[in-house]
Amino acid sequence: KNQVEQSPQSLIILEGKNCTLQCNYTVSPFSNLRWYKQDTGRGPVSLTIMTFSENTKSNGRYTATLDADTKQSSLHITASQLSDSASYICVVSAIDAGSQGNLIFGKGTKLSVKP
Amino acid sequence: NAGVTQTPKFQVLKTGQSMTLQCAQDMNHNSMYWYRQDPGMGLRLIYYSASEGTTDKGEVPNGYNVSRLNKREFSLRLESAAPSQTSVYFCASRERTSGSIDEQFFGPGTRLTVL
Repeated sequence: KNQVEQSPQSLIILEGKNCTLQCNYTVSPFSNLRWYKQDTGRGPVSLTIMTFSENTKSNGRYTATLDADTKQSSLHITASQLSDSASYICVVSAIDAGSQGNLIFGKGTKLSVKP
Repeated sequence: NAGVTQTPKFQVLKTGQSMTLQCAQDMNHNSMYWYRQDPGMGLRLIYYSASEGTTDKGEVPNGYNVSRLNKREFSLRLESAAPSQTSVYFCASRERTSGSIDEQFFGPGTRLTVL
């Protein structure tokens, strides 16, 4: 069964610190993996999208890594800011899944950045 | 360019009442989606529309109907609301940008409570 597991479920860090969120998946055949940021009360917003051939991608202070062999991804946040407080969702897409896209969503990691 | 818009933002219904959630996108995307998001669970696909004039069931379609009114608009209808349909509903649109990559954009959500 295609699944996406994220850890930890929640995380509290102090402003200015770094953190790493984890995503393990069992989706096959794999097409791409994306990370979304969801602020409270808002819709998810895409941070990065990585295909099979990419093993790292950055978007400002956000850096995502992908190990397609172990089926693991991580999202590293550098020098956290209060505005980073949000849920971070890992989403994996399967190949040739048509317009439905067969996006499999993780349950998200809720990050709280404290002053 | 408003992206994906949803109305209403909040709604409270009594069991058995009906309502329609509206969604519109101005990005000229072919594919549109309806998801629900419940606490502790990932986003789950209710229905999707690959193109104007077509609709298909997703993972959790029971109790819902959809209409792809035109390329811009995709509505979700609850004919007889039940407390189990209390959730946050997100509309999304999607378009392939290159190769296997596609971008999905979410609306701000509709928070529905069924009493």
